[in-house]
Amino acid sequence: GEDVEQSLFLSVREGDSSVINCTYTDSSSTYLYWYKQEPGAGLQLLTYIFSNMDMKQDQRLTVLLNKKDKHLSLRIADTQTGDSAIYFCAESMYSSASKIIFGSGTRLSIRP
Amino acid sequence: NAGVTQTPKFQVLKTGQSMTLQCAQDMNHEYMSWYRQDPGMGLRLIHYSVGAGITDQGEVPNGYNVSRSTTEDFPLRLLSAAPSQTSVYFCASSAQGANTEAFFGQGTRLTVV
Repeated sequence: GEDVEQSLFLSVREGDSSVINCTYTDSSSTYLYWYKQEPGAGLQLLTYIFSNMDMKQDQRLTVLLNKKDKHLSLRIADTQTGDSAIYFCAESMYSSASKIIFGSGTRLSIRP
Repeated sequence: NAGVTQTPKFQVLKTGQSMTLQCAQDMNHEYMSWYRQDPGMGLRLIHYSVGAGITDQGEVPNGYNVSRSTTEDFPLRLLSAAPSQTSVYFCASSAQGANTEAFFGQGTRLTVV
């Protein structure tokens, strides 16, 4: 079945770049997402990439997709304390909320 | 716009009790879903709906019922709560079609004792 895997924790120094990695198994995935969850809050869509793209950049965020290896990464440049959160990788065949498969989430902590 | 509203935010139930988690969206979205979030496991899909009158099972549907009598509302029912249903529940909605974003509610934290 479908599976999305990511490491549970990442610690980076403030100002450095953060790279959160994810692997998925469903080769038919069309949409790959990165969601952010702050403590006590719901999920906020950060960015998404179509499976026919290799890279997407949006301000401090860069998403890289290696479709051959089924590997997705999120790079946050100049990491700030406000970036502390849990980041979820997710994939779906459709863009709707009806069937999104989530990874377990990576908790990003920022040290001074 | 309120977006996706979930009530209650917190709930404690005794084993065997029943309750309904409410979800409402005011964006006229066709698609709505319920997920549960457990530590170290991400979000898992419980049930989803692609329109009024249409529901289907997700990855972990056992112990939960849903209905979609209106576009706006998608309640999740626990008929006989079990401690294994202790979790944080998220409702999400999105419009039909490509390039649409899923909007999530703030979550309901449920504890079954």
